[in-house]
Amino acid sequence: DAKTTQPPSMDCAEGRAANLPCNHSTISGNEYVYWYRQIHSQGPQYIIHGLKNNETNEMASLIITEDRKSSTLILPHATLRDTAVYYCIVRSSGSARQLTFGSGTQLTVLP
Amino acid sequence: DGGITQSPKYLFRKEGQNVTLSCEQNLNHDAMYWYRQDPGQGLRLIYYSQIVNDFQKGDIAEGYSVSREKKESFPLTVTSAQKNPTAFYLCASSIIRGGAEAFFGQGTRLTVV
Repeated sequence: DAKTTQPPSMDCAEGRAANLPCNHSTISGNEYVYWYRQIHSQGPQYIIHGLKNNETNEMASLIITEDRKSSTLILPHATLRDTAVYYCIVRSSGSARQLTFGSGTQLTVLP
Repeated sequence: DGGITQSPKYLFRKEGQNVTLSCEQNLNHDAMYWYRQDPGQGLRLIYYSQIVNDFQKGDIAEGYSVSREKKESFPLTVTSAQKNPTAFYLCASSIIRGGAEAFFGQGTRLTVV
């Protein structure tokens, strides 16, 4: 399984963009990058995923480097409700085993 | 509404007792998962199942058991052999192919008293 490395914590000012990095240097060609977040005492919520190209949805943007060894999740205008733990995981097709989580990044949005 | 439901939300157990946590999904997902989360920690995989009547151990399966008799259901039993069962338990489901996200339940908080 490809492992991911994330900083344990980050702060961001409300209204500013939050940029959360993730390293996945051992990622293989068929592995997707997923981002989830978990607000305290709730189940994780899916945010976005991608394979090679940058992706954007109503919640966030995902920027994947050309060599796919790292990615950045961007919350364009962070609000206090975005305070959560953000998990970056990689997962390949064809097996359920790779849905494994690391420790994530605690993002705190400051007023 | 389609989704994944865990029950109960809070559960108290006496030491030495087995307890079963329920997880049901109506998303027609093949794969289901159980995770354990301790305070301030990430999610750790207990068991997962890719198909009915088959399941695999995750990273911390000792003291737990599961069954997958129906596609929709994946109950987790916390046995008396689990030395430190107090934790937050999360169930998830997904289709197996790449490019598909997993959906999580809202969790069951188990406390041993």
